[in-house]
Amino acid sequence: ELQLVQSGGLVVQPGGSLRLSCAASGFIFDDYTMHWVRQAPGKGLEWVSLITTDGGGRYYADSVKGRFTISRDNSSLFLQINSLRTEDTALYYCAKDYGSGAFNYWGQGTLVTVSS
Amino acid sequence: EVVMTQSPVTLSVSPGERATLSCRASQRINNNLAWYQHKPGQAPRLLIFGASIRATGVPARFSGSGSGTEFTLTISSLQSEDLAVYYCQQYNNWPPMTFGQGTRLEIK
Repeated sequence: ELQLVQSGGLVVQPGGSLRLSCAASGFIFDDYTMHWVRQAPGKGLEWVSLITTDGGGRYYADSVKGRFTISRDNSSLFLQINSLRTEDTALYYCAKDYGSGAFNYWGQGTLVTVSS
Repeated sequence: EVVMTQSPVTLSVSPGERATLSCRASQRINNNLAWYQHKPGQAPRLLIFGASIRATGVPARFSGSGSGTEFTLTISSLQSEDLAVYYCQQYNNWPPMTFGQGTRLEIK
């Protein structure tokens, strides 16, 4: 069974840092581009970042560029977030690319709360 | 950036009736469009990709159509479990990949 299992929720102060993780199983992880998508409270879905199969291609939304870093190893996806802002408060999802740009499997989400 | 605009914001439909959700792109995206269903407390679920291809396990009452800049998600006979927010997403011109703001589907 394909699974994407994310790390637990966090409360972090503004300016702080954290690392989200997403453990993949049930498919050949190395064969797929992976994404992070977030949803702020009461808002819609926002694409955050993607990493290609070999990690050579990494792309970011303008709102997070320079503060977020996506990475992967042979079975997990990561998102390093620095210089956290209150507007980064959101439920963060990892998602598997179908092979075309649609997301066919999603993790359960990690709630990140940025508050002093 | 491709801006995706969904309408209506909220749609109220009776069980058994047809629901029609619209999505417009600010520039041509060919058929590189997906639809997702998002229920409270759950992860989003892929319904449609390639504008009209149902994802694995998606009931036949869900169908997608359109190309270029205008797209439609149709639920042919609404069921109570279809209560959710529905998002369209383009993956033709990226980064960034962009979502619409969502349509909230209510059961009348």
